[in-house]
Amino acid sequence: AQSVTQLGSHVSVSEGALVLLRCNYSSSVPPYLFWYVQYPNQGLQLLLKYTSAATLVKGINGFEAEFKKSETSFHLTKPSAHMSDAAEYFCAVSVPGRRALTFGSGTRLQVQP
Amino acid sequence: GAGVSQSPSNKVTEKGKDVELRCDPISGHTALYWYRQSLGQGLEFLIYFQGNSAPDKSGLPSDRFSAERTGGSVSTLTIQRTQQEDSAVYLCASSLGQGQGGEAFFGQGTRLTVV
Repeated sequence: AQSVTQLGSHVSVSEGALVLLRCNYSSSVPPYLFWYVQYPNQGLQLLLKYTSAATLVKGINGFEAEFKKSETSFHLTKPSAHMSDAAEYFCAVSVPGRRALTFGSGTRLQVQP
Repeated sequence: GAGVSQSPSNKVTEKGKDVELRCDPISGHTALYWYRQSLGQGLEFLIYFQGNSAPDKSGLPSDRFSAERTGGSVSTLTIQRTQQEDSAVYLCASSLGQGQGGEAFFGQGTRLTVV
């Protein structure tokens, strides 16, 4: 079975600072990996996904993530945080034979002015 | 429709009552998922529908929970004899084809409060 661990339930950064949200996965087969963002009182929106093509994936709003098989990681980064990035971020994994996405517990990002 | 539509957006019910939550997926999407998001928790998978295949019900927490999808489109999640621990946001998502759950599009959710 696959699983996802997000390190840090809350992350706080200053506006303009680097954003780094950590995600580690466990899977017995090559996974597909995703980052979703959830703004207050809204559903989830796909930020980016890894589907075994390029290991560095670029998404919307300046976010990117790098798939590192040796570290079983898929950390999300953004060079310069903006106030509008404040939200909850979820890492998710899916694998063949288990069609539904398995989500991590989420990381709430706070951006300080 | 343009996106996944869920109704109602909010539901308050008394303990022991039955509730029905509705999901209208994106037109043409053959896969439909239900997730539950409790306060301070991640997303818990409930059930998955793909075309005419038997649904994957492995995430349903008890036999009080059931779901159906009529005509391969609209889905209804039913919770019987609601309990306070059922209070959560119920999220529906849909996606194209049999992709590995990829690029699922989510609705705004139904916030269920059991009092």
